[in-house]
Amino acid sequence: DAGITQSPRHKVTETGTPVTLRCHQTENHRYMYWYRQDPGHGLRLIHYSYGVKDTDKGEVSDGYSVSRSKTEDFLLTLESATSSQTSVYFCASAEGNQPQHFGDGTRLSIL
Amino acid sequence: GQQLNQSPQSMFIQEGEDVSMNCTSSSIFNTWLWYKQDPGEGPVLLIALYKAGELTSNGRLTAQFGITRKDSFLNISASIPSDVGIYFCAGQPTGNQFYFGTGTSLTVIP
Repeated sequence: DAGITQSPRHKVTETGTPVTLRCHQTENHRYMYWYRQDPGHGLRLIHYSYGVKDTDKGEVSDGYSVSRSKTEDFLLTLESATSSQTSVYFCASAEGNQPQHFGDGTRLSIL
Repeated sequence: GQQLNQSPQSMFIQEGEDVSMNCTSSSIFNTWLWYKQDPGEGPVLLIALYKAGELTSNGRLTAQFGITRKDSFLNISASIPSDVGIYFCAGQPTGNQFYFGTGTSLTVIP
């Protein structure tokens, strides 16, 4: 597949703490995406990147920030985690208008 | 954001039966994708459709891009136990964003 790895795969943390999720791809894809997956909502876009240092908001971006300092890495940060951000987070990458390829997800629990 | 209605939400079928699911949108899409997700894993691309009316197969799976460009269909023939999972549609209006349906959970009873 597209060689996308996410870390950590599981994390439990407390409300108010900062959290950073990492996504690494080996395909040199220009575009990278962060989604959250919740029951009844499917996959919802948080932020995406269309190049190094170029990012834009998705439909559920409040409370999240991203950074992309290298083509292969895309970080998602929750500055002050809230219980409503408990979810499964997926990273994806794509080249141009091609279909996105997904990582295996990070299960984040905020207590 | 865009609303994609995917149906049915869940299906319980006997091994060997055919399966049909669909996805509809209130907006026109230029691309439709179908993904399958197994527990604990990310979605995996099954079929990509780029043109209205297009019919594409991948083994026992066949998907169609509706001629109105507001819907897509996925059929699975002669289901087997490993078809179990959640199937998602995704549509792309323009640009590089995709919008996802809420998924169809498929259970195959041996």
